[in-house]
Amino acid sequence: GAGVSQSPSNKVTEKGKDVELRCDPISGHTALYWYRQSLGQGLEFLIYFQGNSAPDKSGLPSDRFSAERTGGSVSTLTIQRTQQEDSAVYLCASSLRQSVDTQYFGPGTRLTVL
Amino acid sequence: LAKTTQPISMDSYEGQEVNITCSHNNIATNDYITWYQQFPSQGPRFIIQGYKTKVTNEVASLFIPADRKSSTLSLPRVSLSDTAVYYCLVQASGTYKYIFGTGTRLKVLA
Repeated sequence: GAGVSQSPSNKVTEKGKDVELRCDPISGHTALYWYRQSLGQGLEFLIYFQGNSAPDKSGLPSDRFSAERTGGSVSTLTIQRTQQEDSAVYLCASSLRQSVDTQYFGPGTRLTVL
Repeated sequence: LAKTTQPISMDSYEGQEVNITCSHNNIATNDYITWYQQFPSQGPRFIIQGYKTKVTNEVASLFIPADRKSSTLSLPRVSLSDTAVYYCLVQASGTYKYIFGTGTRLKVLA
């Protein structure tokens, strides 16, 4: 069956531009998560959706970051006015429900800000 | 929040048992502990999950002492393909945050 997919796989952008990263979760999974992984670093939790709702957005690094989810499926992570420190791999995961369910990760989007 | 701490790296030889410990002193009553494996350029992959005592599946065992302030992932008879980064995850109960450990880079040598 299809796993979590993310697009684009790679994105190179110039400082100050806006970018949109997309995540398609596993069909039927109600919970969706975004993480950021800088080069050689661990996973930094950004935001979690239960359905279309994000109960806590405090993990987003700054107000330049926003995320939405529509139809309980696809999610987009938007970074406005990108900075070089935003360069990282952005990982999306989904799980059947929230709580302690196994998270299935996508391959990630590698973002490079020049 | 249940902050987690893991050793940065470990080396082992093929066929040996490897134990990786994660410390989570502030774990909450309802938190579970989950371990993930990550290969380069891939997303993490679920290995095992537990709440207390011992859990075993076809690839690993997870030992959690009674106070639950730490957990140990045990990989029996590792092979070269087990070279990866291993993360423990503790859900911060009631806060909708997912705190991964710093990760342990395991290198299996021939």
